[in-house]
Amino acid sequence: KAGVTQTPRYLIKTRGQQVTLSCSPISGHRSVSWYQQTPGQGLQFLFEYFSETQRNKGNFPGRFSGRQFSNSRSEMNVSTLELGDSALYLCASGRLAEGETQYFGPGTRLLVL
Amino acid sequence: GDSVTQMEGPVTLSEEACLTINCTYTATGYPSLFWYVQYPGEGLQLLLKATKADDKGSNKGFEATYRKETTSFHLEKGSVQVSDSAVYFCALSDPLAGNTPLVFGKGTRLSVIA
Repeated sequence: KAGVTQTPRYLIKTRGQQVTLSCSPISGHRSVSWYQQTPGQGLQFLFEYFSETQRNKGNFPGRFSGRQFSNSRSEMNVSTLELGDSALYLCASGRLAEGETQYFGPGTRLLVL
Repeated sequence: GDSVTQMEGPVTLSEEACLTINCTYTATGYPSLFWYVQYPGEGLQLLLKATKADDKGSNKGFEATYRKETTSFHLEKGSVQVSDSAVYFCALSDPLAGNTPLVFGKGTRLSVIA
């Protein structure tokens, strides 16, 4: 069974730009969660999508948004990028609320200059 | 809210030494507990998990026992290898508490030298 895939793996953007990251979950999984990892804040939850609906949201500004498609693939978008948005963005497949284990993708490393 | 506390790193060990990384948690319900590992430049990999008290998770020589009385889930390995060098994260989820995400500790960096 293929694992969680994320594209692109690396991105370099400048302040003020926007970015879209993509995640494809494990086949059969309908839940996708997004986490941000930074050296200072560690791993922080962004949001979870299940069956195309946002089910849970972390404490991030509205510049961070996401969506999920009918094939369970998810995208997250960050608008008006700030230097502090530089991070590893991790996508996880699996619905914790149903007792499933979350499996993570390799992440997208975003650098904002 | 729920939280996870794990020992600060970095931890540096010689090959074949014993490893213990401490992890304690605070949760309102009955969480499931996890250890994830992150190798340099990669995402998180599930190392092991335990879903109820006294369960022991094990994988690749690593073990951790869910201790409800001490709210702990310490990671142990009897003989570490250079290839175990990575960052280890303790985490919990509490599905009975609703739509809660994984809550992670801050991570412990392990370096194993030959």
